[in-house]
Amino acid sequence: DSGVTQTPKHLITATGQRVTLRCSPRSGDLSVYWYQQSLDQGLQFLIQYYNGEERAKGNILERFSAQQFPDLHSELNLSSLELGDSALYFCASSVEAGAFSYEQYFGPGTRLTVT
Amino acid sequence: AQSVTQLDSHVSVSEGTPVLLRCNYSSSYSPSLFWYVQHPNKGLQLLLKYTSAATLVKGINGFEAEFKKSETSFHLTKPSAHMSDAAEYFCVVSDKPGGGADGLTFGKGTHLIIQP
Repeated sequence: DSGVTQTPKHLITATGQRVTLRCSPRSGDLSVYWYQQSLDQGLQFLIQYYNGEERAKGNILERFSAQQFPDLHSELNLSSLELGDSALYFCASSVEAGAFSYEQYFGPGTRLTVT
Repeated sequence: AQSVTQLDSHVSVSEGTPVLLRCNYSSSYSPSLFWYVQHPNKGLQLLLKYTSAATLVKGINGFEAEFKKSETSFHLTKPSAHMSDAAEYFCVVSDKPGGGADGLTFGKGTHLIIQP
């Protein structure tokens, strides 16, 4: 158990809908990262937050957004969902931003299925 | 820019025999390198990491990896495979200089199959 929690575990929704994925980092970790894992794209970095502020953006679509709250939990919002958004979404946390040699601890993921 | 190439999409070994999972990287800076493992329907677990200290890195569950700068490689090995090692393995590179922040760049993964 990494100490990173994600809810829900599974989510099934229809095209055009909006969903919110939630992540709680390990105790003491200020950085939260979001990743998407799909069969065709593999694991891709989406976005990172550090202590409530956006720090880095990866391959995140404009239809997607995220935020980190004062209690450090983070939410990833996916809107106008398309079939191709079906994937496993992981959250990870690490001790601090910019410390690229620090390992990231991953949550169990949320499996999103768009029908 | 950084990139990582895992040279084998699938590796099959017999239980009790050595495991070798190959990884080459490209990095503009001195990289940090990681190996993560993903068991079916599970999240990713860190096996080991290299961060410019000793070039031979020991990880959990008997795995180790050697950083070879001249070959830009970071291959993962284990002397004797166990059935529980069957999983997907990801080689990961990060080379963002300090002060900034970035996610990790993942290889496409190597599926390790253990034959009884």
